Amino acid sequence: GDSVTQMEGPVTLSEEAFLTINCTYTATGYPSLFWYVQYPGEGLQLLLKATKADDKGSNKGFEATYRKETTSFHLEKGSVQVSDSAVYFCALSYEGGSEKLVFGKGTKLTVNP
Amino acid sequence: DAGVIQSPRHEVTEMGQEVTLRCKPISGHNSLFWYRQTMMRGLELLIYFNNNVPIDDSGMPEDRFSAKMPNASFSTLKIQPSEPRDSAVYFCASGVRGSVGELFFGEGSRLTVL
Repeated sequence: GDSVTQMEGPVTLSEEAFLTINCTYTATGYPSLFWYVQYPGEGLQLLLKATKADDKGSNKGFEATYRKETTSFHLEKGSVQVSDSAVYFCALSYEGGSEKLVFGKGTKLTVNP
Repeated sequence: DAGVIQSPRHEVTEMGQEVTLRCKPISGHNSLFWYRQTMMRGLELLIYFNNNVPIDDSGMPEDRFSAKMPNASFSTLKIQPSEPRDSAVYFCASGVRGSVGELFFGEGSRLTVL
């Protein structure tokens, strides 16, 4: 079945460091890919998405590119802030299908001042 | 505009008791999802509804769990009887059918079963 694998956390960075969180997927078809973020004590929020190969999703300085050849959707940010400390989830879903979101296990990011 | 509203935010109960979690989706949304989050298993989809109709309940762990959506503005997730292994954060999320993967999550209900 479909699945999403994220890099193990936690990840700890200093402010202004470069961030990469790896995400790879296994899918039977051609899914849409998503990154969600969960701040402490809150529900998940959609951060960005990409619906087809080579699409780049971006939001709040984060970006991720849908790479079909490597079945990857790595999250990057050039300069992290303390306020980016959160848990990040990679996910996939299908247009016209069940509409279920399949999530990775999440990667906790802590940014120190 | 109000987001997804869940209640209670925290529930502590004893094994064997009935637990009811409630969710009010965003007005105008026609898909509703219940997820469970634990450290060991991450986020698991329990059940989802389209237009108040249950579409897929294959994630419901066992007969002790049941979910209803009597109208477009309200859903419940019931556990009876509860067990310690049910301790988790339960999230409700809503979306517009066709907006693939774009869900709006509530703040969750943290359940502790002693």
